[in-house]
Amino acid sequence: DGGITQSPKYLFRKEGQNVTLSCEQNLNHDAMYWYRQDPGQGLRLIYYSQIVNDFQKGDIAEGYSVSREKKESFPLTVTSAQKNPTAFYLCASRGGGQIYNQPQHFGDGTRLSIL
Amino acid sequence: AQSVTQLDSQVPVFEEAPVELRCNYSSSVSVYLFWYVQYPNQGLQLLLKYLSGSTLVKGINGFEAEFNKSQTSFHLRKPSVHISDTAEYFCAAMNTGGFKTIFGAGTRLFVKA
Repeated sequence: DGGITQSPKYLFRKEGQNVTLSCEQNLNHDAMYWYRQDPGQGLRLIYYSQIVNDFQKGDIAEGYSVSREKKESFPLTVTSAQKNPTAFYLCASRGGGQIYNQPQHFGDGTRLSIL
Repeated sequence: AQSVTQLDSQVPVFEEAPVELRCNYSSSVSVYLFWYVQYPNQGLQLLLKYLSGSTLVKGINGFEAEFNKSQTSFHLRKPSVHISDTAEYFCAAMNTGGFKTIFGAGTRLFVKA
């Protein structure tokens, strides 16, 4: 079955530590996204990528970094500069290329907590 | 779209009763509209989408939504809810020709027996 796989499902970070969240898709989608979800705030866009080797900052990129070396993969690193990283992180992808009316497909998320 | 507002943060309802979850958006251009559902500790699943054409859109699990351009609304309805519909529902909008999707803050639907 095609879909998006996020790992791990739960992740704990120590103070001053960088952690990387994995996102892999086998939907052959060009576009990929990372969102942060906090209770009562909906989804906030961290980074997005329209194509391999290209990505743009979203609304809350500070303290995060990404790479897009392969079409299937869009890992997110939460750096020590992110002072409040505890949240639920969702990865999404979208097909359709330049046809922008396609909905996003989501993974099952990674819950990050501070030790 | 500049913003998406879901007018109710929580909606409690009895099983087999009808429900409406309200969503308004603001945009200076045409938009595509979506409703997603999220069950605990899972990602979002698409319920339905409005792209163009008929303003009444039918989705999965018996849900439907109506696009009202003059009121800039896209309310979600279901005539008879089940316990299994308990979840969080997100309204979302994307400008036609745009790339980013704007999500509302979510409405938690709680169906009581």
